[in-house]
Amino acid sequence: NAGVTQTPKFRVLKTGQSMTLLCAQDMNHEYMYWYRQDPGMGLRLIHYSVGEGTTAKGEVPDGYNVSRLKKQNFLLGLESAAPSQTSVYFCASSVLSQPQHFGDGTRLSIL
Amino acid sequence: KQEVTQIPAALSVPEGENLVLNCSFTDSAIYNLQWFRQDPGKGLTSLLLIQSSQREQTSGRLNASLDKSSGRSTLYIAASQPGDSATYLCAPVNYGGATNKLIFGTGTLLAVQP
Repeated sequence: NAGVTQTPKFRVLKTGQSMTLLCAQDMNHEYMYWYRQDPGMGLRLIHYSVGEGTTAKGEVPDGYNVSRLKKQNFLLGLESAAPSQTSVYFCASSVLSQPQHFGDGTRLSIL
Repeated sequence: KQEVTQIPAALSVPEGENLVLNCSFTDSAIYNLQWFRQDPGKGLTSLLLIQSSQREQTSGRLNASLDKSSGRSTLYIAASQPGDSATYLCAPVNYGGATNKLIFGTGTLLAVQP
């Protein structure tokens, strides 16, 4: 049972490049989330989804887009990467009122 | 807007000591509150979830309490062990639709010395 799997684990980009982070969960959870974690800031919610085909903005959505075409997958896209998006990105999934399950994170550096 | 504060930011204790981690939040209209641990370079692991109607939850050596009216939660760790060394995060979920959105504090970094 893999739980929540994030791909890739590490990535270095140049400013202006684009990329997609993939999150996959095998627990049949309705809810999925993307967070970023920065030193001294804690985890902040970027976007979330309450079911297949739905997405919504979180606390810090600017510069990111998401898609949830399949229930088990939640994709986070950076269309034109900026150094301010250097961070560790975490995906999580859950059912309502139950604990969120987190992946191990993607460490992204933008030069 | 919900704001979450965790005190202390860092704590170092000798093995075997009992300890308390504190979490305060500004908006008491919460649905539940979760405590997580995060090991270096890893994701978050859920420790305890307290529903708004509950006052405490226990799991092994861990006990979490919730005082919604005062905006406080505590995580009590009994007989601490070096393996408890990690960052501990609290995160309330506010009412406001069926979204289960967590608001995180910046955490308490715990070091248990053997």
